[in-house]
Amino acid sequence: EVQMVESGGGLVKPGGSLRLSCTASGFNFNAAWMTWVRQAPGKGLEWVARIRSKTSGGTTEYAAPVKGRFLISRDDSKNTLYLQMDGLKPEDTALYYCTTTTVPDWGQGTLVTVSS
Amino acid sequence: DVVMTQSPFSLSVTLGQAASISCRSSQSLVHSDGNTYFYWFQQRPGQSPRRLIYRVSNRDSGVPDRFSGSGSGTDFTLMISRVEAEDVGTYYCMQATHWPPYTFGQGTKLEIK
Repeated sequence: EVQMVESGGGLVKPGGSLRLSCTASGFNFNAAWMTWVRQAPGKGLEWVARIRSKTSGGTTEYAAPVKGRFLISRDDSKNTLYLQMDGLKPEDTALYYCTTTTVPDWGQGTLVTVSS
Repeated sequence: DVVMTQSPFSLSVTLGQAASISCRSSQSLVHSDGNTYFYWFQQRPGQSPRRLIYRVSNRDSGVPDRFSGSGSGTDFTLMISRVEAEDVGTYYCMQATHWPPYTFGQGTKLEIK
């Protein structure tokens, strides 16, 4: 059974930092290109960042609104994806999901709230 | 960035009737490798999204066969042949051919009449 479990969300002040984690199981995580997608309250889905598999170079790409502030990384030994978020802004408030086009399943997401 | 435009914004369907959602991209989604990286997702109220269709027309495991995807180039359609109560939710299209970024449509909300 495929599972993706996100964690690390919470309430943070503008300018603060958070590190999200996503632990995956039930598929070949090492070979998967992993993605973070977010959903602001009552809004649609927004792609945030992607990291390729190590065998594909492990390179990363970011959406324009988060480039230079967020860092996506992975630890294949732990089947875990990360998102380091610095310089958080109120507009980063959202439910953050990890996902991959390799499998159809998504996790429950982790809520990030940026507010003073 | 590739813009994905869904229509309609919302639709109200009688149980057992068919429903169709359109998604149009601002440029062709045919990748240089010959594949078309176009997907459909369903998000039921209060739940996480789940993928229904991958690469235009391939149904994911466990997805009822009343769901079908079609299209090519810049025009794509999700068809639900006989709507059931469990189909209520919001449907999103997404392209992963031209990146960054992957881009989503704005969503189509399906309700039962």
